Amino acid sequence: EPEVTQTPSHQVTQMGQEVILRCVPISNHLYFYWYRQILGQKVEFLVSFYNNEISEKSEIFDDQFSVERPDGSNFTLKIRSTKLEDSAMYFCASTGLPNTEAFFGQGTRLTVV
Amino acid sequence: AQTVTQSQPEMSVQEAETVTLSCTYDTSESNYYLFWYKQPPSRQMILVIRQEAYKQQNATENRFSVNFQKAAKSFSLKISDSQLGDTAMYFCAFGSGAGSYQLTFGKGTKLSVIP
Repeated sequence: EPEVTQTPSHQVTQMGQEVILRCVPISNHLYFYWYRQILGQKVEFLVSFYNNEISEKSEIFDDQFSVERPDGSNFTLKIRSTKLEDSAMYFCASTGLPNTEAFFGQGTRLTVV
Repeated sequence: AQTVTQSQPEMSVQEAETVTLSCTYDTSESNYYLFWYKQPPSRQMILVIRQEAYKQQNATENRFSVNFQKAAKSFSLKISDSQLGDTAMYFCAFGSGAGSYQLTFGKGTKLSVIP
């Protein structure tokens, strides 16, 4: 069964450092997403990406965040200068069409110390 | 903006029994999509069931079924014959049909299946 793959599974970084979270969406999917879940809280939308550009972004997705599809398979989320409050589980998801089933990756747990 | 409310932070059910998780939502749209996702301790998000708002028939997926009440903006999940592997967080999610691709999630219900 096709799946979305995220690396690393856990990343610890110092405050102020840059991190890049990586995702390999399902190969024939066209829409890509990043969501965030702070421990014990609900899953929050960060950004959607289609046709090599951002379709939508939330208020959380400020100038410290960026996304990129550097090649035909990877989809990355970069946090430029991490803050303590960026500590969360970050989920990548992809869909073939909008509002169809979103397949989620297993998540990257980001810990900022 | 859409909102999704799950009023039951925690629930428990005896193995083999039936449990219903509640979800209400608020939207001005007429065409949209609703989802239930399961998040086990591994924290991966797994789709349980999906409902299109234009469909009157309630979606079913094996032991999982929904009660979709469009007028009441209610979308509850019924789990029949509960199994220990059903122990997880369950999130209700709303997907707009009006060009917005994001999912809006509720806060989740923690379900424990007791042997």
